Amino acid sequence: DTGVSQDPRHKITKRGQNVTFRCDPISEHNRLYWYRQTLGQGPEFLTYFQNEAQLEKSRLLSDRFSAERPKGSFSTLEIQRTEQGDSAMYLCASSVPRGPGNTIYFGEGSWLTVV
Amino acid sequence: ELKVEQNPLFLSMQEGKNYTIYCNYSTTSDRLYWYRQDPGKSLESLFVLLSNGAVKQEGRLMASLDTKARLSTLHITAAVHDLSATYFCVGSQGNLIFGKGTKLSVKP
Repeated sequence: DTGVSQDPRHKITKRGQNVTFRCDPISEHNRLYWYRQTLGQGPEFLTYFQNEAQLEKSRLLSDRFSAERPKGSFSTLEIQRTEQGDSAMYLCASSVPRGPGNTIYFGEGSWLTVV
Repeated sequence: ELKVEQNPLFLSMQEGKNYTIYCNYSTTSDRLYWYRQDPGKSLESLFVLLSNGAVKQEGRLMASLDTKARLSTLHITAAVHDLSATYFCVGSQGNLIFGKGTKLSVKP
């Protein structure tokens, strides 16, 4: 069990560029979440998947954001035409719903800086 | 829509003292989590509370859940500096809804 893995850990990009983050959940975790956290704030929900199905998307997820989980394993979060307000830590988490204790495990996060 | 409110948002404690962080939530949550976050780091799961009256303890931290009052508490006993971090109360309706967090600072 290697935990939830996120890549890249840090990304600096120019405004207007596209960026993509990848998340590898814990093996056999069928639920996967994406959150965004800005400095001094709690994480804000973006979207979550049950296997390959995207079950819910936040209003925060504008049309510049898209997330996929094509085979129900890893997931990608793409941000198109980045803006300075997109600078944040993007957190991925995974779980087995209704499992014993049902702990939700978070990755180390991907820091995005838009300059 | 589930909303989670924590108080206090900032807490400065002396080592050895006890204190409680309160978490109120606005509507039914199918479970209640507490997470810890150190500066610049990700989130560490502390407790998952599943049912009314649930109480869990780990070291100097004890969490409880009252679903009728829609209240969870995180009690800190005999605080030590290593407990300094931000603590989040998190409700669940499929997705997770975080409170704003309580930034705890434990001073000698």
